[in-house]
Amino acid sequence: EAQVTQNPRYLITVTGKKLTVTCSQNMNHEYMSWYRQDPGLGLRQIYYSMNVEVTDKGDVPEGYKVSRKEKRNFPLILESPSPNQTSLYFCASSFRGAQSAYGYTFGSGTRLTVV
Amino acid sequence: RKEVEQDPGPFNVPEGATVAFNCTYSNSASQSFFWYRQDCRKEPKLLMSVYSSGNEDGRFTAQLNRASQYISLLIRDSKLSDSATYLCVVSQTGANNLFFGTGTRLTVIP
Repeated sequence: EAQVTQNPRYLITVTGKKLTVTCSQNMNHEYMSWYRQDPGLGLRQIYYSMNVEVTDKGDVPEGYKVSRKEKRNFPLILESPSPNQTSLYFCASSFRGAQSAYGYTFGSGTRLTVV
Repeated sequence: RKEVEQDPGPFNVPEGATVAFNCTYSNSASQSFFWYRQDCRKEPKLLMSVYSSGNEDGRFTAQLNRASQYISLLIRDSKLSDSATYLCVVSQTGANNLFFGTGTRLTVIP
């Protein structure tokens, strides 16, 4: 089954404790992206990657890092999480990026709470 | 100004009703348009792309008005399973980002 797999689904952590949210896709998509979703703000792009070793900032990259060492994986790293990073996070992939008529395939989401 | 604006609703309609959502976008360079559906606490899923000439997929019809910079979604013969939040999404040529509206919540009532 074609899918984007995120882990964990739920995470509660403390301020400053580094964490990684994993994302993996099995569709051989070149484009991958991370979004956060907050009430009243919609989904906002954090980082995206056009291909292996090619990453760039989205609209809200502060406090996040990403890497793309393999085509299928695109982990999101929070080096020192803060409470304002409490949010619902989605990883997405696409065959041809934002212009694709096929749209994005999203992972199931990671609900992160930073206390 | 937000890239994409939608009426948050909620829209509460009886089964079988026809309901329409509109959204407006701010950037005239926008070239790709979509409607996504998001169920509560789930990931967004592509409902349909929106083409300049308008397009239909079963009970769903999407229209694009470039002059007025708005997109619409019409749902006919509403089903209980249509209850969800509908996200209006746009992208500009060459951009590597989709801009999401905050969504319009629909509840179909038995």
